[in-house]
Amino acid sequence: EVQLVESGGGLVQPGRSLKLSCLASGFTFSNYGMNWIRQAPGKGLEWVASISSSSSYIYYADTVKGRFTISRDNAKNTLYLQMTSLRSEDTALYYCARRLGAAGGYFDFWGPGTMVTVSS
Amino acid sequence: DIQMTQSPSSLPASLGERVTISCRASQGISNNLNWYQQKPDGTIKPLIYYTSNLQSGVPSRFSGSGSGTDYSLTISSLEPEDFAMYYCQQDASFPLTFGSGTKLEIK
Repeated sequence: EVQLVESGGGLVQPGRSLKLSCLASGFTFSNYGMNWIRQAPGKGLEWVASISSSSSYIYYADTVKGRFTISRDNAKNTLYLQMTSLRSEDTALYYCARRLGAAGGYFDFWGPGTMVTVSS
Repeated sequence: DIQMTQSPSSLPASLGERVTISCRASQGISNNLNWYQQKPDGTIKPLIYYTSNLQSGVPSRFSGSGSGTDYSLTISSLEPEDFAMYYCQQDASFPLTFGSGTKLEIK
């Protein structure tokens, strides 16, 4: 059974950093592209970042480019999101999602999410 | 960036009713359009991928269609568990973008 479990969320002050993790199980992690997608309270879904299976291709939303870094450790079946210079508008539930298909793909499994609150 | 305009934002409907949700892309996306369902507890699952392909385990009352810039999700006969949020998403190019969502509510 495919499982994605995010962790690392919490309350952090503006300007500080936080690192999220997503532990994957039930599939060969190194074969799939992975993504972070977030949802601000009461708002819709916003794609944040994507990383290919071997980390060769990485993409970011403009809203986080230069502040967030997506990475993965295939030996540990874990996806990461290093977040720096956090702003109040980064407050959201952060989902980890597996992406099926290199082009024209879709997010076929999602974790339950981890909440990040940026506030002083 | 490709903008996704989803409508309606809210859709009151009754059990057994047929409903349609629309999604329009700001440019052609060559059928690279996916639909997701989000339950009140936050759980998200895919329903339809590449315009019209039903995700494994999703009931056949869900269907998708469209081409070019205009796409739609149809539920043929609403069941109680279908009342949820629905989002479209384009996968034609980065940045990947979602529609603003449709809340399917009990009338």
